[in-house]
Amino acid sequence: AQSVTQPDIHITVSEGASLELRCNYSYGATPYLFWYVQSPGQGLQLLLKYFSGDTLVQGIKGFEAEFKRSQSSFNLRKPSVHWSDAAEYFCAVLTGGGNKLTFGTGTQLKVEL
Amino acid sequence: DTGVSQNPRHKITKRGQNVTFRCDPISEHNRLYWYRQTLGQGPEFLTYFQNEAQLEKSRLLSDRFSAERPKGSFSTLEIQRTEQGDSAMYLCASSLGGAANYGYTFGSGTRLTVV
Repeated sequence: AQSVTQPDIHITVSEGASLELRCNYSYGATPYLFWYVQSPGQGLQLLLKYFSGDTLVQGIKGFEAEFKRSQSSFNLRKPSVHWSDAAEYFCAVLTGGGNKLTFGTGTQLKVEL
Repeated sequence: DTGVSQNPRHKITKRGQNVTFRCDPISEHNRLYWYRQTLGQGPEFLTYFQNEAQLEKSRLLSDRFSAERPKGSFSTLEIQRTEQGDSAMYLCASSLGGAANYGYTFGSGTRLTVV
């Protein structure tokens, strides 16, 4: 079955430090992958998506992610974290014939000032 | 266009009561999705509509749950005889055509607390 694993439940980084959030997927075909961010009590905002082509994708708020088929990974990165980036981050893969998203359990990011 | 709108934002209800949530998608989006998110988990798919047709329902959607999308515009999700286990954030999303092309746009969700 298709699935997404986010190994890190919580991550704490200092403001200005670099960030990498891990995501591993299990999917038979070429995956359609997404990263979403969720602030407390809010819905999900799309950061970026990978469908095909260039394996390094750029998103909003200075985030990028790299698709590595050999490692079944789609890690999210940011060179310099801002305090406002503190939130929960979800990786997801499109499944069900392109009709639904299967999400990971999320990584809670804390930013220390 | 103000995005996907969900009402109410919060709902507290007593166990056994019925509740109904509303979702207004982005106007030109023909697909509408409902997800449920419990504490510490990622959202889980419940059901989706293409226009007014409900095309898929998850096993999570018990007989107490019903969703409609009359006229292919807004959608409602009703939970009958609520249980404490129904406490969750209910998220609505919409897309234009398949999500493979454009991804989803999510609303801010309705947080349900069953006491």
